[in-house]
This record gives sequence, C-alpha cells and structure tokens, in this order.
Amino acid sequence: DVKVTQSSRYLVKRTGEKVFLECVQDMDHENMFWYRQDPGLGLRLIYFSYDVKMKEKGDIPEGYSVSREKKERFSLILESASTNQTSMYLCASSFVDAYEQYFGPGTRLTVT
Amino acid sequence: AQKITQTQPGMFVQEKEAVTLDCTYDTSDPSYGLFWYKQPSSGEMIFLIYQGSYDQQNATEGRYSLNFQKARKSANLVISASQLGDSAMYFCAMRANRDDKIIFGKGTRLHILP
Repeated sequence: DVKVTQSSRYLVKRTGEKVFLECVQDMDHENMFWYRQDPGLGLRLIYFSYDVKMKEKGDIPEGYSVSREKKERFSLILESASTNQTSMYLCASSFVDAYEQYFGPGTRLTVT
Repeated sequence: AQKITQTQPGMFVQEKEAVTLDCTYDTSDPSYGLFWYKQPSSGEMIFLIYQGSYDQQNATEGRYSLNFQKARKSANLVISASQLGDSAMYFCAMRANRDDKIIFGKGTRLHILP
C-alpha cells in the first residue's frame, strides 16, 4: 500500500512563527505536491516538486517556500505565519505521468 | 487556462437512491484526464475514478460511474444505490496529459439521509 504521511494532524502556531510541515512518501514517487484546502475554494496547489531539489510554483505560492532534499520528503515552510494561513494542508505524491495522486491525511493548521 | 466547475455546493439524497454530481470543465488541451476524489469527514482524499479524454467508454468502478460527455465538456459522477457511508465531500479534478499538475473543483458536499 502506498503511504503518504504528514508530521502532524493538528498544529497551532502564533503569528510570526516559522512553521515546518513535513510530508514523507514510501513509494519512490518522483512528484510531490502541497495543497491548501479552504471551505468553498476546493484544493489549491501551493508548490510542486518533480525531483530532488526541483520545485515549481503552484497557484498560490506567496508566503510559502518548500524544500526537497531527499526524494521521499517534501517540506512546506511558512517563513512568518499569518492568520490568513490558517487552513488544511494536504500533501500528495505520484509517479511522473501517472493520473492518480496519493494523499496524506492532512494537517489542520491554526495561526493565532 | 484549465477550469473545473462544480455547481452544487451541497446535496441531500435519500439512502438507496442514485446520485449524480455535476462537473463541467474547460481546457484547450486535446489530451487530458478527469478524476473524482472523495473526502470523508476524517479528511483523507480517496481516489474514486478516472476517465481519459480519448476513452470511448464511460469509466466504471463498482457503484461509481463517470458520465463523460466530451462535446458538452461534462464529467458527472454517478453513484448508484447510495449508502450512508457515501456522505462526504466530492471533488472533480482534471489533468492535462502534458502536465503532472491536477486542478480541482470547489467540491460538492453530499449528505445521504437514512
């Protein structure tokens, strides 16, 4: 079974803190993705990585950065968390050219 | 630009009835794929079904079928004989075959009533 894990299910941080969200997959997938999910807006792509140290901006990259030092791990970084970054964050992975993405359980982040 | 539209924010359906969740899409790519994902209240995204733009037949997976009408650019999900466990958020999504990124619709929340 493909497994995508995320470091926390729930996280509460203060405004201005640096926040790291970690995602690990165990299927040797080349592609990894970070999405943000908000009510009424669906899933929006923040960043995408197609290889180690390679990244591409998604639709809403402002306020976020990413790191992919190893193939199995993709980190989302909020350099200075703000209240408008309170959201559900979903990580996914896939093979290149594959139509199915496998999702992690999500991290619900609250910034106060 | 690609776009997915789900016009039903919420639906209430009686148990055992069939359900149709609407999805229309827009793309200029000649080759693409369409998907549906289910998200229960626990939050995980569950892949349900896939339809390729060149597939001649509508995709089916158990109680799920995708009603693909290419000329109308629609990809509706049909759930036969609904069950209480089908209550969830459902997302329609699309991927151009030249790209590994998927775009999602805003979702439809389905409530199955006993």
